Amino acid sequence: NAGVTQTPKFQVLKTGQSMTLQCAQDMNHEYMSWYRQDPGMGLRLIHYSVGAGITDQGEVPNGYNVSRSTTEDFPLRLLSAAPSQTSVYFCASSYLTSGSTGELFFGEGSRLTVL
Amino acid sequence: AQSVTQPDIHITVSEGASLELRCNYSYGATPYLFWYVQSPGQGLQLLLKYFSGDTLVQGIKGFEAEFKRSQSSFNLRKPSVHWSDAAEYFCARQGTGRRALTFGSGTRLQVQP
Repeated sequence: NAGVTQTPKFQVLKTGQSMTLQCAQDMNHEYMSWYRQDPGMGLRLIHYSVGAGITDQGEVPNGYNVSRSTTEDFPLRLLSAAPSQTSVYFCASSYLTSGSTGELFFGEGSRLTVL
Repeated sequence: AQSVTQPDIHITVSEGASLELRCNYSYGATPYLFWYVQSPGQGLQLLLKYFSGDTLVQGIKGFEAEFKRSQSSFNLRKPSVHWSDAAEYFCARQGTGRRALTFGSGTRLQVQP
């Protein structure tokens, strides 16, 4: 059971570089999202999607782009990395159908350091 | 805005002792409430959830939580802690009709032998 798969697990970038964090799920979940985790702040929502072709901003969207071309994939793009984006990033997904519990399933995280 | 507060940043208990982790949520319609656990270097795993009905919910690994509307609380409990319970614990709420979770800042649990 693959569940939610994130790559890479670790990445070091220089300020101004771009990169994409990949997220894939094999549970046919409609809802996918990206969170960042910073010490003492819990997890904060960056962007989310309720289906292919539909994305929206969360609490901390600045500096990040997303797209959802398929149900399975939800990549997170950093166009010009900044030290403030040093964090651990989690992708999470769930069902949206009526009656579903809405439980979020999380990937194992991607640790990003921006120098 | 909806919020979740975990007042204890760090808790240390002895193995075999009981545990209670506190969680308070901001006022609103009956929220959907969750407790997640995160072991070092790992993702988050759901311990339990409350949507409606019985206010005492049972979860995995011997954990339980009680929803108290009058106190806007959803505290996590375990009668006897094991060394393997050392981890960070997050309380979260979900707004009705939405899937996004609002997380508390987390409580790190340390277990002494």
